[in-house]
Amino acid sequence: SQKIEQNSEALNIQEGKTATLTCNYTNYSPAYLQWYRQDPGRGPVFLLLIRENEKEKRKERLKVTFDTTLKQSLFHITASQPADSATYLCALRGMDSSYKLIFGSGTRLLVRP
Amino acid sequence: EAQVTQNPRYLITVTGKKLTVTCSQNMNHEYMSWYRQDPGLGLRQIYYSMNVEVTDKGDVPEGYKVSRKEKRNFPLILESPSPNQTSLYFCASTMGGRDTEAFFGQGTRLTVV
Repeated sequence: SQKIEQNSEALNIQEGKTATLTCNYTNYSPAYLQWYRQDPGRGPVFLLLIRENEKEKRKERLKVTFDTTLKQSLFHITASQPADSATYLCALRGMDSSYKLIFGSGTRLLVRP
Repeated sequence: EAQVTQNPRYLITVTGKKLTVTCSQNMNHEYMSWYRQDPGLGLRQIYYSMNVEVTDKGDVPEGYKVSRKEKRNFPLILESPSPNQTSLYFCASTMGGRDTEAFFGQGTRLTVV
């Protein structure tokens, strides 16, 4: 079955450093991959979408890469700030007609001041 | 402002007492869905709807019902809640299509005792 894996251990970094989060997927060939941010007890908020023919996408301090050969996406936050502390979710749409979003369990990022 | 509104935000109820969680979106989106989020299990889809009067089961539909009588509303019904339905619930909407982002509600934290 389709599976998305994200590092379940929290990533703890110093303010100003670059945070890099990983999303791996199996049994799937997605045309699009999405990243969301989720704060405790709140709904996920969309950040970026990257298409299979895009190797890299940027938005302000965020950068996403998509390697369909490795079946992996990397999510980078440069010049990280304490306000970036949150859980980041990777998501793919199912290949059936349901348009279901399949989420990874997320990686918690903690940025120390 | 584009948004998905869920109510209530918090709910404590007793086993077997029917309840409804409401969800409304103001973006004229065709596709709506319900997710539950549990520690270690991530976000799992309960039900989805691709348009008015069209609903279908997601990955964990047991114990839940939904209806879609109007495009903007997609209530989640628990006819006989049980303690294993204690969870954080999210409603989401999207325009449809695999390259579209999902908008999430603020969440409903349900406790069944």
